Amino acid sequence: DVKVTQSSRYLVKRTGEKVFLECVQDMDHENMFWYRQDPGLGLRLIYFSYDVKMKEKGDIPEGYSVSREKKERFSLILESASTNQTSMYLCASSFGGLGQPQHFGDGTRLSIL
Amino acid sequence: GEDVEQSLFLSVREGDSSVINCTYTDSSSTYLYWYKQEPGAGLQLLTYIFSNMDMKQDQRLTVLLNKKDKHLSLRIADTQTGDSAIYFCAEGQDQAGTALIFGKGTTLSVSS
Repeated sequence: DVKVTQSSRYLVKRTGEKVFLECVQDMDHENMFWYRQDPGLGLRLIYFSYDVKMKEKGDIPEGYSVSREKKERFSLILESASTNQTSMYLCASSFGGLGQPQHFGDGTRLSIL
Repeated sequence: GEDVEQSLFLSVREGDSSVINCTYTDSSSTYLYWYKQEPGAGLQLLTYIFSNMDMKQDQRLTVLLNKKDKHLSLRIADTQTGDSAIYFCAEGQDQAGTALIFGKGTTLSVSS
């Protein structure tokens, strides 16, 4: 079974802090994704990566950056956390071929106070 | 641009069939997916269908695709309380390395 592991289920940080969310997958997937999920807005893509050291902006990249130094790990960074970044963050991964489904982690519920 | 639409809520009685509908706009979509999200959890892949198929059945789940109308449905037979969750429809395009486009999700509530 595919395993996508997010480092924290719940996280509370303060405004202005630098926040790191980590995601690791164990299936040698080429693609990795970060989404945020908010009530009434569904899933919105923040960034994705199709290879080590490669990244592409999604729909809402502002205020975020990412890092992919190793194939299995994709980090989401909030450079200076703000209260409007309070959300559920979901990581996903997939193989790089056509039509490959994404597999999701359990999510990190992040609160910025 | 691309868009995926779903109704927000569906309420059914235990034992009935549930039908969750989805429409998409991108005619180049090649793969269509259904995901399930239980409270506090991530998304779990339920099933997916290629655009050259009309129907796919997997135990209690039946997926119907009407490519002409760009309409996708998920039917759950003999719905159980454990099926209560949010169901997301997603479309993928015929291009490697692109992200899926998700609908906002349909909350299915099953009453006993």
